[in-house]
Amino acid sequence: ETAVFQTPNYHVTQVGNEVSFNCKQTLGHDTMYWYKQDSKKLLKIMFSYNNKQLIVNETVPRRFSPQSSDKAHLNLRIKSVEPEDSAVYLCASSRDWGSSQNTLYFGAGTRLSVL
Amino acid sequence: AQKVTQTQTSISVVEKTTVTMDCVYETRDSSYFLFWYKQTASGEIVFLIRQDSYKKENATVGHYSLNFQKPKSSIGLIITATQIEDSAVYFCAMRELQGGRALIFGTGTTVSVSP
Repeated sequence: ETAVFQTPNYHVTQVGNEVSFNCKQTLGHDTMYWYKQDSKKLLKIMFSYNNKQLIVNETVPRRFSPQSSDKAHLNLRIKSVEPEDSAVYLCASSRDWGSSQNTLYFGAGTRLSVL
Repeated sequence: AQKVTQTQTSISVVEKTTVTMDCVYETRDSSYFLFWYKQTASGEIVFLIRQDSYKKENATVGHYSLNFQKPKSSIGLIITATQIEDSAVYFCAMRELQGGRALIFGTGTTVSVSP
């Protein structure tokens, strides 16, 4: 049963354009994340948010900017996309930040293709 | 530094047999949590099983079990009585108790189960 919703599913754009991805979770969780999955399936954490506050920025280029209006929503904007930004962007949530044993729940992902 | 390594890129098995996949990790923390996630062909990522570092007993959930060898920093996943639908990419992941970082994933092992 899906509880982390991402839009859009796919996005094709050209180098230099701006894109925005949306994520919403209906689990009542406090913590949300953005992960990037590249063509080799490698999953890398980008940002961690707790109660709409940025907790960790994992050395992501400045053109990436997350935004959270409330703890159920975490969006991702890329200001000027570059070819290496082509990937699947996965949103996830967990009950809270402090409990390291908490399971992550993932959305279906947004596949970005930069031409 | 926190690191998770899966050396097997792909494994092929015949259904109803057992598959074992390896994972080693690096951490400076004395307490940590180890997870296995599965990514299906549709891209969906779901949690399978967790091992708490302070527990000596290997975790078991359904036909998934773990082989936790703490001195070797190793957490293997064992799937018994495999089914076609077990074909997927399996990710090992770790989170330290005190590290202040999000879940870190290994590179994944692709399992193909054939009739």
